Amino acid sequence: GDSVTQMEGPVTLSEEACLTINCTYTATGYPSLFWYVQYPGEGLQLLLKATKADDKGSNKGFEATYRKETTSFHLEKGSVQVSDSAVYFCALKGGYQKVTFGTGTKLQVIP
Amino acid sequence: DSGVTQTPKHLITATGQRVTLRCSPRSGDLSVYWYQQSLDQGLQFLIQYYNGEERAKGNILERFSAQQFPDLHSELNLSSLELGDSALYFCASSVGREGEAFFGQGTRLTVV
Repeated sequence: GDSVTQMEGPVTLSEEACLTINCTYTATGYPSLFWYVQYPGEGLQLLLKATKADDKGSNKGFEATYRKETTSFHLEKGSVQVSDSAVYFCALKGGYQKVTFGTGTKLQVIP
Repeated sequence: DSGVTQTPKHLITATGQRVTLRCSPRSGDLSVYWYQQSLDQGLQFLIQYYNGEERAKGNILERFSAQQFPDLHSELNLSSLELGDSALYFCASSVGREGEAFFGQGTRLTVV
């Protein structure tokens, strides 16, 4: 079945540092890929998405590129802020429109 | 506001009891998903409905059941509750293959 593997957290960075959160997936066919963010005490919100190979999703300074050859969708940001502290989930939408999530990576940005 | 409404927001109940969580999807969304989020298990997919029919099943216990009604709202029934069932339960909805899932704010269930 479909699965998503993302790097274990927590990830602790200083403000303005570069961020990469790795995500790889297993799926049949051509899934759509997503990154969601969950701020403390809130539900999940879509951060960015890509629906086909080589697409790049971007939002709020975050980027991720759909790499079919490596089955990856790594999340990157060049300069993180304290307000980026949250839990980040990689997800895919595959056959029958089922959405499968990774386990989440907690990011803590310190001033 | 995602457009997905979950009620109640908080629920405290005793072990052995039964509760029903309700979800109203965004207007026009045919798929409804239920997830359980606990501290030690992360976000666990429970079940998905599409236009009233069960479409996919995840790590849903036999004590749990769900359904989607003709007006597309969904209910998640949890019975014979145990302390370990305490968690945040999220509902999400989406439309189409490429559409993202929109999440409700969740129902926080505490079993005492």
